[in-house]
Amino acid sequence: EAGVAQSPRYKIIEKRQSVAFWCNPISGHATLYWYQQILGQGPKLLIQFQNNGVVDDSQLPKDRFSAERLKGVDSTLKIQPAKLEDSAVYLCASSSGPTTDTQYFGPGTRLTVL
Amino acid sequence: GESVGLHLPTLSVQEGDNSIINCAYSNSASDYFIWYKQESGKGPQFIIDIRSNMDKRQGQRVTVLLNKTVKHLSLQIAATQPGDSAVYFCAEKAAGNQFYFGTGTSLTVIP
Repeated sequence: EAGVAQSPRYKIIEKRQSVAFWCNPISGHATLYWYQQILGQGPKLLIQFQNNGVVDDSQLPKDRFSAERLKGVDSTLKIQPAKLEDSAVYLCASSSGPTTDTQYFGPGTRLTVL
Repeated sequence: GESVGLHLPTLSVQEGDNSIINCAYSNSASDYFIWYKQESGKGPQFIIDIRSNMDKRQGQRVTVLLNKTVKHLSLQIAATQPGDSAVYFCAEKAAGNQFYFGTGTSLTVIP
């Protein structure tokens, strides 16, 4: 079974630029999560999708972050404009259904904002 | 926000010894807990989970203990191997079905 795929693996941008990350969850997984992991900290949930609908985006900085999952499969997370404090690893995870199911994580995208 | 923390940021153990990683949580209403292992450059990997109606669960070489009275969670790794070296996170599912991760403990296994 293929795992969660993410791209790019690394991205370096200057502040105020925009950036987008892509995630392809495990086939058949209805639930998709985006996490932000700052160096030395645990992952923090940004947004959770159930199919193509948003379940929870309470911790997403909506003035600069946006995410979509149009067809209920792949998802993109965008930051515009980026700030220095956005430097982190952005992890995508998926699970087959309810939130208590095991979440499978992708390798993450490491973002550096200069 | 929720508070999920770990008692020790780093832990070094001799190969073959048992490891114990601790975690404190703050929300008594949390009903589901997970331990993850994260190796450098990789995403977190599920190790074991436990629901709040249990106080112990065993897997292969790993055991999770839950003490709801003091809101404490621990991960025990038996016969620790060099491949166990990683950062270990506990996560709790709180009200609203949101998962909160702790800061993490870095485990180093000394050959």
